[in-house]
Formats: sequence, structure tokens, C-alpha cells
Amino acid sequence: DGGITQSPKYLFRKEGQNVTLSCEQNLNHDAMYWYRQDPGQGLRLIYYSQIVNDFQKGDIAEGYSVSREKKESFPLTVTSAQKNPTAFYLCASSMDRAIESAQYFGPGTRLTVL
Amino acid sequence: RKEVEQDPGPFNVPEGATVAFNCTYSNSASQSFFWYRQDCRKEPKLLMSVYSSGNEDGRFTAQLNRASQYISLLIRDSKLSDSATYLCVVNIRVTGGGNKLTFGTGTQLKVEL
Repeated sequence: DGGITQSPKYLFRKEGQNVTLSCEQNLNHDAMYWYRQDPGQGLRLIYYSQIVNDFQKGDIAEGYSVSREKKESFPLTVTSAQKNPTAFYLCASSMDRAIESAQYFGPGTRLTVL
Repeated sequence: RKEVEQDPGPFNVPEGATVAFNCTYSNSASQSFFWYRQDCRKEPKLLMSVYSSGNEDGRFTAQLNRASQYISLLIRDSKLSDSATYLCVVNIRVTGGGNKLTFGTGTQLKVEL
């Protein structure tokens, strides 16, 4: 089955630690995205990548880093510099950069900082 | 003013009712539009794209009004399984050739017996 997978589903982290969230897709999509969702707020874009080995900051990139070494994979690292990391993190992909391309989401990772 | 605004609800409706949601957007350069559905503690799932001519998918109808900068979603014969949060999403072209999705905070629908 084609789709987007994220792991882990739940992650607990102590303050001061970096953690990496996994996102993999086998849809052959060019573009991939990371969002965070907080209660009562819309999804906010962290980083996005439209092709391999290239990525751009979204609206709230501070305290996060990404890489795009393979088309299928777009891991997100939440660093200790991120001041309020507890959130629901969603990875998405779209076929291409076309304005009409819808985005499809993975099941998400819930990160809690203890 | 928020870029994308939705009434948060909840809309509590009886099974079989027709319910309509509106969503307004502030950027007149917005070029494509979508409705997503999100169940509690799950990821958003694409419900439908919204085309200028309007489009229908079974019990769901989406409309776009560019002049007034709003999109709408109509659900007919609502089912218990339609209970969810409906997200309005607007896509605009950004500098550099990419595009950016902006999400509304969602409208919560509760369908009751």
C-alpha cells in the first residue's frame, strides 16, 4: 500500500535533548512538508522540501532542522533550542510543486517534553 | 485579520440534516483551495479540492466565491460518521516558485441521533 509513515507515534523527551522524528513516503512524491499542530491553532509549517537535497524554512523553523538525502525520507530533528516543543507533528507530501497539488498527511507523532 | 478564518463551532446537528460551513480568506492571490477532515487526535485527510465552478462528491458539495473571498462546504444527509473537524485550506504561490498552504483552525461538526 502506498502512503506516508511516521514514527514513533508517541515520543517523550527530557528537556535539553534533541530528538529526530521519522517520515517516509512511497508515493513517489517530490515535495514533503513538516507541520506542527497545537490545540486551538491551525497547522503551522516548519520546513518543506520540493526536491532532494534542497529544503526551505517555513513559518516556525527556529529550533528545528531537517534533511532530504532521499526522495522518500524527510526526517525532522527537534533540538533543545526549540522553546516549546510539545505538540503534534505532522509530515505531508504532495506530488509536485504545482499550486493545485493537494498534500497528504502521515499519522503524526505526538511529542511530549517532560 | 487571520489569513483563513472559520467558525470553530461546534455545529450540533441531527442525523440526516444538511449543514453548511463557510471559510473566508484574506489573500486575494490565493489560487487553490481544499477541505480536509480531521478526526480527534488523527491526521487531516483530504476531503475534496474546491474548483472555481464548484464541485460535488456524493453528499458533499464545495463552492468557491472569489469575489467575496470565501469557500463553502455543504454536507447533505449527515451521518454520525461525519462527526469531525473540517479544515479549510488555502494555497498561494510564494516567491521562488513554491507554494504555501495556510490552514484554518477548523469547524467542529457533531452529528447526533
